[in-house]
Amino acid sequence: EAQVTQNPRYLITVTGKKLTVTCSQNMNHEYMSWYRQDPGLGLRQIYYSMNVEVTDKGDVPEGYKVSRKEKRNFPLILESPSPNQTSLYFCASSLSYQGGHEQYFGPGTRLTVT
Amino acid sequence: GDSVTQMEGPVTLSEEAFLTINCTYTATGYPSLFWYVQYPGEGLQLLLKATKADDKGSNKGFEATYRKETTSFHLEKGSVQVSDSAVYFCALSNFNKFYFGSGTKLNVKP
Repeated sequence: EAQVTQNPRYLITVTGKKLTVTCSQNMNHEYMSWYRQDPGLGLRQIYYSMNVEVTDKGDVPEGYKVSRKEKRNFPLILESPSPNQTSLYFCASSLSYQGGHEQYFGPGTRLTVT
Repeated sequence: GDSVTQMEGPVTLSEEAFLTINCTYTATGYPSLFWYVQYPGEGLQLLLKATKADDKGSNKGFEATYRKETTSFHLEKGSVQVSDSAVYFCALSNFNKFYFGSGTKLNVKP
């Protein structure tokens, strides 16, 4: 089954404790992206990757890191989480970075930073 | 920068009513436009898309037309069902990036 998986689905952590949210897709997609969803703000793009070893900042990259060492995986790293990073996070992938391609979304990771 | 603005919700309708959710955008160049739907506890799913001016996207009875002159991509459905209750997001892609509106929650009552 074609899908985007994220782990963990739920995470409660404390300020400053490094964490990684994994994302994996099995569709051989070139483009992958991370978003955060906050009430009243919709989804905002954190980072995206057009292919292996090619990543770039979205609209809200501060406090986050990513890497794309393999085509299928695109982990999101919070080196020193803070309470304002409490949010619902989505990973997504699409066939290409060229416009018009559908993005497939993972089920989401709800992160709480205390 | 690029942005998407969509009408505030929630929108509450009776079954079989006509639905319109307004969406306008600001973008340079020639963006692609999308409507995504999110059901409770799930990720977003593509509902429909349009990649150039005057294109009409359609799916499951929903339609939206890419209007460059008014920079709009309004979502319409002639007769909503209870199962259409969800949050709808308008989005655009341009120069490798994606921008989403704030979402409009639709409640359909039997």
